[in-house]
Amino acid sequence: DGGITQSPKYLFRKEGQNVTLSCEQNLNHDAMYWYRQDPGQGLRLIYYSQIVNDFQKGDIAEGYSVSREKKESFPLTVTSAQKNPTAFYLCASSIDLGGLGEQFFGPGTRLTVL
Amino acid sequence: AQKITQTQPGMFVQEKEAVTLDCTYDTSDQSYGLFWYKQPSSGEMIFLIYQGSYDEQNATEGRYSLNFQKARKSANLVISASQLGDSAMYFCAMREGRDDKIIFGKGTRLHILP
Repeated sequence: DGGITQSPKYLFRKEGQNVTLSCEQNLNHDAMYWYRQDPGQGLRLIYYSQIVNDFQKGDIAEGYSVSREKKESFPLTVTSAQKNPTAFYLCASSIDLGGLGEQFFGPGTRLTVL
Repeated sequence: AQKITQTQPGMFVQEKEAVTLDCTYDTSDQSYGLFWYKQPSSGEMIFLIYQGSYDEQNATEGRYSLNFQKARKSANLVISASQLGDSAMYFCAMREGRDDKIIFGKGTRLHILP
């Protein structure tokens, strides 16, 4: 089955630790995205990547880092510089770079920093 | 200024009734796409329906239809014959032709009452 996987579903970390959230897709999509969602809020874009070895900052990139070494993988690292990292993180992908296609989402990772 | 506005933070609707979720958008592009996503309590984002700016007919997908009024920059989602399983958050989103990002509204929480 084609789709997007995110692991783990729930993640707990101590304050001050970096943590990496994984996102893998087997849809052969070029573009991948990371969003953050806070309770009762919409989605805010953290980073996105249009092609391997290239990525752009979204609206709230501070305290986060990404890499895109393979087309199917787009891991997100939440660093200790992120002041309020507890949130629900969603990864998405879309088929094309400049078209108007929809984004497909993974199931999300709920990160809690203690 | 917000690009996607959803003015209804929450709605309560009786089962089997039709429901309209409001969405207005702001863009100066001629080419853009409009999307609606459903987010149940489990957190995953489910794509519902898409409307392209050049599509002359309103999009329909089963019980979902998009009431697209281009001059008013309005893209309301209509759910016919609502069901208990329709209870969820609903997000309106837009992708502009010159951009690879999708911009989300803050969402409307829909409650279907038995």
